[in-house]
Parts: sequence; C-alpha cells; structure tokens
Amino acid sequence: QSVLTQPPSASGTPGQRVTISCSGSSPKIGSYDVNWYQQLPGAAPKLLIYNNNQRPSGVPDRFSASKSGTSASLAISGLQSEDEADYYCAAWIASLNSRVFGEGTKLTVL
Amino acid sequence: EVQLVESGGALVQPGGSLRLSCAASGFTFSRFAMTWVRQAPGKGLEWVSYISSSGDRILHADSVKGRFTVSRDNAKDSLYLQMNSLRDEDSAVYYCARDSGVVGADDSWGQGTLVTVSS
Repeated sequence: QSVLTQPPSASGTPGQRVTISCSGSSPKIGSYDVNWYQQLPGAAPKLLIYNNNQRPSGVPDRFSASKSGTSASLAISGLQSEDEADYYCAAWIASLNSRVFGEGTKLTVL
Repeated sequence: EVQLVESGGALVQPGGSLRLSCAASGFTFSRFAMTWVRQAPGKGLEWVSYISSSGDRILHADSVKGRFTVSRDNAKDSLYLQMNSLRDEDSAVYYCARDSGVVGADDSWGQGTLVTVSS
C-alpha cells in the first residue's frame, strides 16, 4: 500500500472539469511537496505539475493543482480526448529517505 | 534537446544479474541528479534509485536495497543500474529520469528498457 492514495479511476466528458485527489496521512501530505505526472498510453511519464502547483513550460494552463494539509488534487479543465491517460502524484518524503508515487488514476474521457 | 536513452534490458533467469545503462545528451549531465523508476506490466510507477549529480549521495528503495546499485560516469554522460539477485517481481520497464532540482520532480524521462525475469 502506497503512502500516497489515489482513486483508481476518474472520468469526464469533453469540455468538463475533472479533479483527481491524492491523500497522504503518514506522514501527512502537508509536510512535503507534491508533483504530478501524466502517462499517456504506451509512453513514458511526463512531469505535469511540480512544487504542488507549478506548471513546467509547455504544460497547458488547463492543468492546475493544489494542496491542503491532508490532500492534494489535480484539476483538468476543458477536458480533451488527448487527456486520457494515467495520472500519478509523487513526492520526496524526507522522513522515509524515499521518493514515493501514488498508485495512479486512470482518466477516461467519455 | 534533452535526451535519455536506456539500454541493457533483457530476459534473465531468477538469481541472475543485469546492468542497465542510460545515455544522456542535450544537457550538462554532471549538474543533475538522476533517478531510476520502474513500472511492472500493467502496474503503477515505482521509484528505484537516486544518485546525486556528483555521485556522493545514493539512495535505493527498500525493495531493491542490497541487490541493486546505481552509479554514474559524468565523463561519459552515462547513468547505470547494476541489478543482482534478480527476482520475478523485478520484471518491469525501467526508466531513467533527470531530477529537475526541485525535490522529487523528474523533468525528463527516457523511453524505458524492458527487464523480464523468468525461468
């Protein structure tokens, strides 16, 4: 069982806004920074969000993220068919001396 | 353009050894920490190893500690993963990735190399 917990699946229709959650309780997610990755089918992962809410250059502003004391979330607005992918939250957890990935959320665009 | 190209994946028997390589180009390799991440077929991502830019700080996941060793050759712009005592559960696509410098954020990834452990 991962330190970071994500729902296994999410879905939405084109144009909709969807959110994917990532929770961490031990240690609490509020104590570390969260990054998000997108993995398109058959491709390598791609950094989508770093430092909880920062977008690397080239990532559309349709993708946004936030973090509270107990959970983080990724939001995708104006959903497009090409957003269909697996999404992973991740963090470097200093107390574990380890980088940890969430279990991943498969996003389906209906 | 940043490029990371993994190689060395193969079919190997349980208990065997394998050495993966990752050739880097398009950036100053010696300035960046690097990581290995793996993905078993149909499964999620699992962090494997981390090595600092100079190689003086090395970390491994508990699942591979004592069996895998990460190393780098900055003169050759190359990253390595020596895998010993391989188990069935080590079967996965292995990705090398560049640590962006922001803790835990890998901003460039290779295409991966497949390791299959099976008798």
